Amino acid sequence: DAGVIQSPRHEVTEMGQEVTLRCKPISGHDYLFWYRQTMMRGLELLIYFNNNVPIDDSGMPEDRFSAKMPNASFSTLKIQPSEPRDSAVYFCASSSRGLGITEAFFGQGTRLTVV
Amino acid sequence: AQSVTQLGSHVSVSEGALVLLRCNYSSSVPPYLFWYVQYPNQGLQLLLKYTSAATLVKGINGFEAEFKKSETSFHLTKPSAHMSDAAEYFCAVSVRMDSSYKLIFGSGTRLLVRP
Repeated sequence: DAGVIQSPRHEVTEMGQEVTLRCKPISGHDYLFWYRQTMMRGLELLIYFNNNVPIDDSGMPEDRFSAKMPNASFSTLKIQPSEPRDSAVYFCASSSRGLGITEAFFGQGTRLTVV
Repeated sequence: AQSVTQLGSHVSVSEGALVLLRCNYSSSVPPYLFWYVQYPNQGLQLLLKYTSAATLVKGINGFEAEFKKSETSFHLTKPSAHMSDAAEYFCAVSVRMDSSYKLIFGSGTRLLVRP
């Protein structure tokens, strides 16, 4: 398996524009997590899905952020409209609960810069 | 609520010296604990995990961690630091949420290795 795949790796956009980040989890994993990493706040869990259903979105900072998982192999994180304070690295991770706790596998991240 | 605290945002050691990165957890139930490493411009990679099978857990790259319930600790150690160990290290706890779970990360510790 190629691992968790995120696109794009880098995104530069102007304030007010819509930004869509994409994630393909590892095949067979039933959990998908979106994290945001900044110097000031570290790694924050934004939202996670179990079997394509959003379980906990309490980490989503504002209504400008939305996430979807239309099927088991694809998820998006959208920011509309984007603001400079949204600049961060966004990570997607997936894992499988199975019969016990397994680790989360992370993608390479998308570095978002809003100017 | 379950959480982890990492003591020391930066740790500096000489090459060949002992590495000790501290993590304390807060959990009302037996926790699942993880250590991840992040190299520059990369995603997070699992170093090791504790799932109650054994209190001393060995991971990749010569790292190990010991689960101490009496101290609520899960410190990461390596007998001899190598230059390639310079990275950021994250402790994480798996939090049970009804029938699902999520991973919560500590604030991270940046390891610097001096020649």
